[in-house]
Amino acid sequence: QKEVEQNSGPLSVPEGAIASLNCTYSDRGSQSFFWYRQYSGKSPELIMFIYSNGDKEDGRFTAQLNKASQYVSLLIRDSQPSDSATYLCAAREIGGSYIPTFGRGTSLIVHP
Amino acid sequence: DAMVIQNPRYQVTQFGKPVTLSCSQTLNHNVMYWYQQKSSQAPKLLFHYYDKDFNNEADTPDNFQSRRPNTSFCFLDIRSPGLGDAAMYLCATSRDLGLNQPQHFGDGTRLSIL
Repeated sequence: QKEVEQNSGPLSVPEGAIASLNCTYSDRGSQSFFWYRQYSGKSPELIMFIYSNGDKEDGRFTAQLNKASQYVSLLIRDSQPSDSATYLCAAREIGGSYIPTFGRGTSLIVHP
Repeated sequence: DAMVIQNPRYQVTQFGKPVTLSCSQTLNHNVMYWYQQKSSQAPKLLFHYYDKDFNNEADTPDNFQSRRPNTSFCFLDIRSPGLGDAAMYLCATSRDLGLNQPQHFGDGTRLSIL
């Protein structure tokens, strides 16, 4: 069974620090990975996606993918209290249903 | 703005009383999904449509049905809700099932069972 694992947290960081969110996946067929932010009681909103090994940067966000280690991470630089949310990782495979599998999310708290 | 709209935002129903949740999209996406999400858990896929092709997840209870009468609309029918069906129900769309195609979510419907 395909699994996407995330530490549920909460991860607590001070304002201005770098928050590092991690995700591991079990299916080596997974090829693309998505990070979503979900505020309490709200729906997930896409932050960014990555499908090539290495880093991908978008503003304060950097996604890192290491397919050999089956590991994807999201770095948030200069963390703000408004970044406090649950961050969901999703993995999509080649073949099969092509439907992303979601992790349970990591709760991030950025304190002033 | 193109978007995914779910109605209602909050739905209260009685144990065993059928309920329908609706989703509409202006993105003209081919794929529409229904997820169930309970507190602190990952969204759980119930089913999805690729155009008119319906795909049911193996562990989706028979109590849950779906309809997609046209590209824009998709409905989730819960025939006899039980207490365990109380959850947030998320509708999502994607243009297709390509590897780099993200899902776009509606604001969700929070379902409560009395």
